[in-house]
Amino acid sequence: DAMVIQNPRYQVTQFGKPVTLSCSQTLNHNVMYWYQQKSSQAPKLLFHYYDKDFNNEADTPDNFQSRRPNTSFCFLDIRSPGLGDAAMYLCATSRAWLPNNEQFFGPGTRLTVL
Amino acid sequence: SQQGEEDPQALSIQEGENATMNCSYKTSINNLQWYRQNSGRGLVHLILIRSNEREKHSGRLRVTLDTSKKSSSLLITASRAADTASYFCATVPSGIIQGAQKLVFGQGTRLTINP
Repeated sequence: DAMVIQNPRYQVTQFGKPVTLSCSQTLNHNVMYWYQQKSSQAPKLLFHYYDKDFNNEADTPDNFQSRRPNTSFCFLDIRSPGLGDAAMYLCATSRAWLPNNEQFFGPGTRLTVL
Repeated sequence: SQQGEEDPQALSIQEGENATMNCSYKTSINNLQWYRQNSGRGLVHLILIRSNEREKHSGRLRVTLDTSKKSSSLLITASRAADTASYFCATVPSGIIQGAQKLVFGQGTRLTINP
């Protein structure tokens, strides 16, 4: 089945230790998104890729970066995780240039910062 | 903030009853979508309603949209224990259609269906 896969599902890191979260998709969608969702809050868009074009949200901290080496894969890098970065990180995909389009979400990676 | 609001924040009902959740938003929109999130999991798309539509059905789901009030409601009929989840509305602001469709999420309603 076509899907969005996130690895790992659970990630524990230490304060200040870089961490990378992975997302892959078999939907062949142009657009990939990364959201941060803290406990009992709404998902918040960090950035997205439209093909290879990277689009950062204005309030996304510099600590967060992303890479998209090909259509299928996208990575979220947190350079120096702080305690406030503990959250669920959600990857999503969608087709581009269609005005009424759903997004397909992966199961998420729950990040714990010790 | 562009984020919308949902009410109630939490809703607990008996199995078989209907559940209604409301969403308000702040800007003009292209469409409004509802997503479900089971505890600790990703979001699943439920239904999309365009800005020129007023009501839409999908199985046990009924969504209404009132653009003059910038509000929407999601009705789940004949609820089941498996409907227990958080429900989020999300809007796509209107304007120039871009490659990506940025979703602006509401705060969500936590729905509990008691057997």
